[in-house]
Amino acid sequence: NAGVTQTPKFRVLKTGQSMTLLCAQDMNHEYMYWYRQDPGMGLRLIHYSVGEGTTAKGEVPDGYNVSRLKKQNFLLGLESAAPSQTSVYFCASSTLEFSTYNEQFFGPGTRLTVL
Amino acid sequence: QQQVKQSPQSLIVQKGGISIINCAYENTAFDYFPWYQQFPGKGPALLIAIRPDVSEKKEGRFTISFNKSAKQFSLHIMDSQPGDSATYFCASTPAGTASKLTFGTGTRLQVTL
Repeated sequence: NAGVTQTPKFRVLKTGQSMTLLCAQDMNHEYMYWYRQDPGMGLRLIHYSVGEGTTAKGEVPDGYNVSRLKKQNFLLGLESAAPSQTSVYFCASSTLEFSTYNEQFFGPGTRLTVL
Repeated sequence: QQQVKQSPQSLIVQKGGISIINCAYENTAFDYFPWYQQFPGKGPALLIAIRPDVSEKKEGRFTISFNKSAKQFSLHIMDSQPGDSATYFCASTPAGTASKLTFGTGTRLQVTL
């Protein structure tokens, strides 16, 4: 099993450009999440999904959109990138099985720079 | 609003020493307290977790101590090794919130020889 994979690994955008980050998981998990990681800020939840076709806002959703058309994929979109969106983006997934301590499995991250 | 406060921001410990990282939470509805470990260039991974019905959980050299009345929990790494050098995040979540985790700001641990 590959676990959680993210593409691309690195990306440089100019202000105003758009892009989509792709997350895929092969663990049949119901829940998927997008976080951003910034120095001194920890991991902050952008959007999450509790199942195919559902999405919900997290702590810092402004400037991002998401879609979960298939259970195994969770897409994060930036419609008009801004320098403040320069960050490392992590996708994660977890299962409904609460007996497993709600463990979230993280992907390797995407490093995005907006010039 | 930061609901989980973590300290210190960075920590340098000699090999064989004890590393201690502290977290405090505000929401009394939180009932699950995991610690995640992140190596450079990698995603975080679950290290150890505790529920508030116990005051301590130990797995190998890693121990979580939990103080419900003070709303604090801490990670102790005994006999710290250079391979433990990583960033550690505490987190917490209320029951029934679809596994939404609130993370602390992270502690960068360096274990020197």
